[in-house]
Amino acid sequence: QKEVEQNSGPLSVPEGAIASLNCTYSDRGSQSFFWYRQYSGKSPELIMFIYSNGDKEDGRFTAQLNKASQYVSLLIRDSQPSDSATYLCAVKSNQFYFGTGTSLTVIP
Amino acid sequence: DAGITQSPRHKVTETGTPVTLRCHQTENHRYMYWYRQDPGHGLRLIHYSYGVKDTDKGEVSDGYSVSRSKTEDFLLTLESATSSQTSVYFCAISETSSSGSWDNEQFFGPGTRLTVL
Repeated sequence: QKEVEQNSGPLSVPEGAIASLNCTYSDRGSQSFFWYRQYSGKSPELIMFIYSNGDKEDGRFTAQLNKASQYVSLLIRDSQPSDSATYLCAVKSNQFYFGTGTSLTVIP
Repeated sequence: DAGITQSPRHKVTETGTPVTLRCHQTENHRYMYWYRQDPGHGLRLIHYSYGVKDTDKGEVSDGYSVSRSKTEDFLLTLESATSSQTSVYFCAISETSSSGSWDNEQFFGPGTRLTVL
């Protein structure tokens, strides 16, 4: 079992819709959770981090954490074509573990 | 890229040759990391450093060694490159939080594409 699991997609949403990206992790002792965006051929860039159960909002992005279910999600509201990228979930337990990423395409 | 450079950016080499990749930061961050990224596997931690001369192994450390003689430089060496080490290599940095944990977010360099023939 992988430490961090993500649906590889591809996920397609129309412009203006809400994109929902999901991630599960195996280590209940995990402490910190991160979402990165990676454009093709580029390096990952941090979007959000979350440490506590519940929701954390930053602009059009909302991260949700449920430690009991070992589940992290990222919601992107009012999706834009520029949001088309691969989204990586990362979890810090004894070290950092990354999921394989979900490819998102926002259709104009 | 948060003051992180990697060199070379692209390299093609032959099986059995030694290869050294360099990561240089200007942020004076304590922690530095080397990852490889492969289709179907995502980013996997190779080695990391928590200070000058202080390093530890990550998830996929076999066949790799690292050194950190200065805060700003972290070197990754493939002693004898193999085709399975063909990958994109990313360096990342992070800093200690005020609480002393190392959970702070990582910032990534531009990457090095390595091909081993």
